[in-house]
Amino acid sequence: NAGVTQTPKFQVLKTGQSMTLQCAQDMNHEYMSWYRQDPGMGLRLIHYSVGAGITDQGEVPNGYNVSRSTTEDFPLRLLSAAPSQTSVYFCASSYSGGVPQHFGDGTRLSIL
Amino acid sequence: KQEVTQIPAALSVPEGENLVLNCSFTDSAIYNLQWFRQDPGKGLTSLLLIQSSQREQTSGRLNASLDKSSGRSTLYIAASQPGDSATYLCAVIIQGAQKLVFGQGTRLTINP
Repeated sequence: NAGVTQTPKFQVLKTGQSMTLQCAQDMNHEYMSWYRQDPGMGLRLIHYSVGAGITDQGEVPNGYNVSRSTTEDFPLRLLSAAPSQTSVYFCASSYSGGVPQHFGDGTRLSIL
Repeated sequence: KQEVTQIPAALSVPEGENLVLNCSFTDSAIYNLQWFRQDPGKGLTSLLLIQSSQREQTSGRLNASLDKSSGRSTLYIAASQPGDSATYLCAVIIQGAQKLVFGQGTRLTINP
């Protein structure tokens, strides 16, 4: 039982590049979400999903896309990376909506 | 808009002391409140979850209280140990919402 697995752990991009942050969970959780953590600003919700095929925007969705084709996976796509997207990204999952109980170890992303 | 504040931002105490971390929120219409621990370079670990109808929750040396009317929660750590050193975050779920609203955290250092 691996819990929530995020890949990669570290990534450096150039402005304008695109990439996908991967998130997978093996607990059969319906609810999955993506947060970003910035110094002095806590964690902020980017997108979330309440089940396969269902996604919705959080507090800071601009510049990011998500999809949920399976219960296990919830990838986050940066369409055209900007320096303002330099952050630590966390994926989380839970049995019930609104209560992320299990967090991944994060992806540290730098945009040059 | 719900805002969550944690004071102090950093705290350093000698080993063995009892201590209190504070969390305040602006909107009392919360569904529940959750305390997390974050170790450097790691994700979040859930410590305690307090439902809106509850006043406190306990787990080992940790006790969390909730006073919705005053918009406050405290996390009490008894007989602190160096292994308790970490950042502690509180987060609230707003009724009817699908997200956690996080405070900025308190960075706790326990000195041997």
